[in-house]
Amino acid sequence: QITLKESGPTLVKPTQTLTLTCTYSGFSLTTSGVGVAWIRQPPGKPLEWLALIYWDDDTQYSPSLKTRLTITKDTSKNQVVLTMTNMAPVDTATYYCAQGIYGANVNWVDPWGPGILVTVSS
Amino acid sequence: EIVLTQSPGTLSSSPGDRATLSCRASQIVSSSYVAWYQQRPGQAPRLLMYGGSTRATGIPGRFSGSGSGTDFTLTISRLEAEDFAVYYCHHYGYSRRITFGQGTRLEIK
Repeated sequence: QITLKESGPTLVKPTQTLTLTCTYSGFSLTTSGVGVAWIRQPPGKPLEWLALIYWDDDTQYSPSLKTRLTITKDTSKNQVVLTMTNMAPVDTATYYCAQGIYGANVNWVDPWGPGILVTVSS
Repeated sequence: EIVLTQSPGTLSSSPGDRATLSCRASQIVSSSYVAWYQQRPGQAPRLLMYGGSTRATGIPGRFSGSGSGTDFTLTISRLEAEDFAVYYCHHYGYSRRITFGQGTRLEIK
C-alpha cells in the first residue's frame, strides 16, 4: 500500500521560509518512472502544482514560483522536502504531496497525502 | 506552458442525471497525458481517469473520459449522491511538468 504524509509548521510569519516534509511508504523513489510532486490549494481555490522530483534526480518547478522553491529527496529516509522562501499571506494553503508516475505513455499523480494547512500570518 | 480551461465553472444537476464536464487545452496535447481528478469536501483529490479515457483502480463504470487535440470531456452517466464534488482536469506530459485546470464544481440542483 502506498501512503504519503505531509509534515511541517502550520503557521509561519511573512518573509519566513517554509520547509515541508513528505514521508512516503510503499514505493521507492529510485524506481524508474517514479516521482513525488508538491501541489497546493488555497482555501476555496483550485489546485496549483509547485514542484516535482524524479527517480533520476531531475527536478521541475512551476514557472511562476521557480525562484522561491527548492525540492530535494532523501531516499534513505523515504522523504522529499520542499522549501519555499519569502512566504506571504497569499501562500496560505493546504499543501499536498503525491506520487507521480511518469510512464511510457501515460502519466498521473496519485495517491495523495492528506495535506497540511499552512497559514501565513504575523 | 499549457493552460487548461474547464467549463462550466459550476454544474447543477440532480441524482440520476448525466453530467458532462469539459476541459480545453491552450494547445494540442496528447490524450495520453490528460487525467481527471475528483475532490470531495475536506478530502485530498483522487485520480479518476488517466490516459484520457482509462478509469483508475476502483472507479465505477459510470465515469468515462474522451477527447483529443485540445478538447477533453469527463462524463458521468448517472449521477449518484457521492459524485457531487469538484473535478479537475490535468495535463502531465513529456515535459515532466504538471498543469491543472481551475475545476468544475458539480452541485446538487
